[in-house]
Amino acid sequence: KAGVTQTPRYLIKTRGQQVTLSCSPISGHRSVSWYQQTPGQGLQFLFEYFSETQRNKGNFPGRFSGRQFSNSRSEMNVSTLELGDSALYLCASSSGVGDDTEAFFGQGTRLTVV
Amino acid sequence: QKEVEQNSGPLSVPEGAIASLNCTYSDRGSQSFFWYRQYSGKSPELIMFIYSNGDKEDGRFTAQLNKASQYVSLLIRDSQPSDSATYLCAAPSGGSYIPTFGRGTSLIVHP
Repeated sequence: KAGVTQTPRYLIKTRGQQVTLSCSPISGHRSVSWYQQTPGQGLQFLFEYFSETQRNKGNFPGRFSGRQFSNSRSEMNVSTLELGDSALYLCASSSGVGDDTEAFFGQGTRLTVV
Repeated sequence: QKEVEQNSGPLSVPEGAIASLNCTYSDRGSQSFFWYRQYSGKSPELIMFIYSNGDKEDGRFTAQLNKASQYVSLLIRDSQPSDSATYLCAAPSGGSYIPTFGRGTSLIVHP
């Protein structure tokens, strides 16, 4: 079965712009989590969506937002980009129910803010 | 703040040796633990998960969990240069099932 698909793979934006990233989870998975990975901070949790609702949220400013559609695909939006937002953004797919908490990552979107 | 701690390394081992990667966690309520492997420039790949105290073996990989001491380890037997990567430990914490990740240990297997 198909894995987790993230688009685009690479993005270059300028400060102040906004960006939207997309994630299609594994078929049948209803939970999509988003992470930011930087060399200095490691893998930081942004938020999780389950059945079109944000179920968990990390400690990121309100410039970072997301949503999930009825087909479980999720988008993440970052507004008013800052240089420090340059990172690898990863989404993780899981069933999101019961004790089945294994998460599978997409290939990531490498965002560079200049 | 619930923490998952790993030594950043790098851990350097010769080919054929056993690589031992360690992780400690602060939330005693954590029930499940995951090891991910991440090659440079790639996304993390789930390689092992463990729920119960003791050992879990999968091929050359063995995960060990000690809940009393709050540590989980990953042993890689017969290490190969292709095992060279960063290994991330993760555990849900704070009552959530969302895993908190350690910063990873860089493993280098030299021929």
